[in-house]
Amino acid sequence: ETGVTQTPRHLVMGMTNKKSLKCEQHLGHNAMYWYKQSAKKPLELMFVYNFKEQTENNSVPSRFSPECPNSSHLFLHLHTLQPEDSALYLCASSQDWGRDEQYFGPGTRLTVT
Amino acid sequence: QQQVKQSPQSLIVQKGGIPIINCAYENTAFDYFPWYQQFPGKGPALLIAIRPDVSEKKEGRFTISFNKSAKQFSLHIMDSQPGDSATYFCAASAGGDYKLSFGAGTTVTVRA
Repeated sequence: ETGVTQTPRHLVMGMTNKKSLKCEQHLGHNAMYWYKQSAKKPLELMFVYNFKEQTENNSVPSRFSPECPNSSHLFLHLHTLQPEDSALYLCASSQDWGRDEQYFGPGTRLTVT
Repeated sequence: QQQVKQSPQSLIVQKGGIPIINCAYENTAFDYFPWYQQFPGKGPALLIAIRPDVSEKKEGRFTISFNKSAKQFSLHIMDSQPGDSATYFCAASAGGDYKLSFGAGTTVTVRA
């Protein structure tokens, strides 16, 4: 499989649940990103990892917890979410954090009930 | 504070028409301006990008026009086709920074 893959593609969870989103990139890139995409709004950068080290936390609430065990995998652990967290969560990667070309996965459509 | 303002929010054209999407920015440090295309159920994909040393760039039927003095750039889709129906995002970044500032997106519908 090539490019950036994300699982699951759809997720419905209650506000008290704990779930995780997974991202895997097959491009040999060193930097990975989590974005939140809400309708009619610009993409919001959430977290950035470069060589497994977190380099950016864009004032994201602690109910979102990222994990990057290696340069190919990125997780977003979710707990005690709010209905306003419902959105499309996109993972992206780039060769390294200083390069502009980011490649996106298909996203996970999250619904918090 | 939205750093890149994109308009219109949506537009509909007939096949063969030329949809035009406009973006404006304030940060004069921005030096990289990519456009992303997103189909339903897919993530955004880099379509075309421009740097401020040129005023126009073409790739196939897609053209970016850049006006540095006005701090504006636009995407034109020549001879549009129904397969071009998608949401288009402009973005900008400064000095090779990974922090892309995105516009809010424009949904383009091309009618057959």
